Amino acid sequence: SQTIHQWPATLVQPVGSPLSLECTVEGTSNPNLYWYRQAAGRGLQLLFYSVGIGQISSEVPQNLSASRPQDRQFILSSKKLLLSDSGFYLCAWSYSGRNTGELFFGEGSRLTVL
Amino acid sequence: RKEVEQDPGPFNVPEGATVAFNCTYSNSASQSFFWYRQDCRKEPKLLMSVYSSGNEDGRFTAQLNRASQYISLLIRDSKLSDSATYLCAHNDYKLSFGAGTTVTVRA
Repeated sequence: SQTIHQWPATLVQPVGSPLSLECTVEGTSNPNLYWYRQAAGRGLQLLFYSVGIGQISSEVPQNLSASRPQDRQFILSSKKLLLSDSGFYLCAWSYSGRNTGELFFGEGSRLTVL
Repeated sequence: RKEVEQDPGPFNVPEGATVAFNCTYSNSASQSFFWYRQDCRKEPKLLMSVYSSGNEDGRFTAQLNRASQYISLLIRDSKLSDSATYLCAHNDYKLSFGAGTTVTVRA
């Protein structure tokens, strides 16, 4: 069966510090991978998606970046966090080649920037 | 205009009641629609897909109204365990989500 794991689950970071969130998927090959952010009381905002190794599409200009160094590994980074980066970050995967609209989400990483 | 808009609620209903809420979308070309369920501080999970005129799964019924560009979700015989936030989404080249409708079922 397929699983998705992201970490850390919770973190509190000062403004201006770097960020690294990691996500891995097991049990499937060449998944589509996504990073979403959910701010309090708001919808899921797509930040990045990837259809293959090294292929990253950015949806929203910001001080975040994403990388996909391996087929089932997706990393979200920032060199300097802003207060507005606080939120619930969700990694997700979907089957490549199937436009079913079903995303499988990780358990999320709750980031508080102080 | 946001791509997907939902009434945030909350909808507070007693057990056994029927609750329904809508989601409007702006892209008339959208073909695929979905309802996700998100429990408090958890990740969203797919509840139902809505592909054509509607879909029913047990106590849950989803309807699509293309003329008015909205989808609806109806929950019959509400259970305490139905308390959650329900996110609608539509699929173009990416999945766009609404902010969610919160439903609280009370005993």
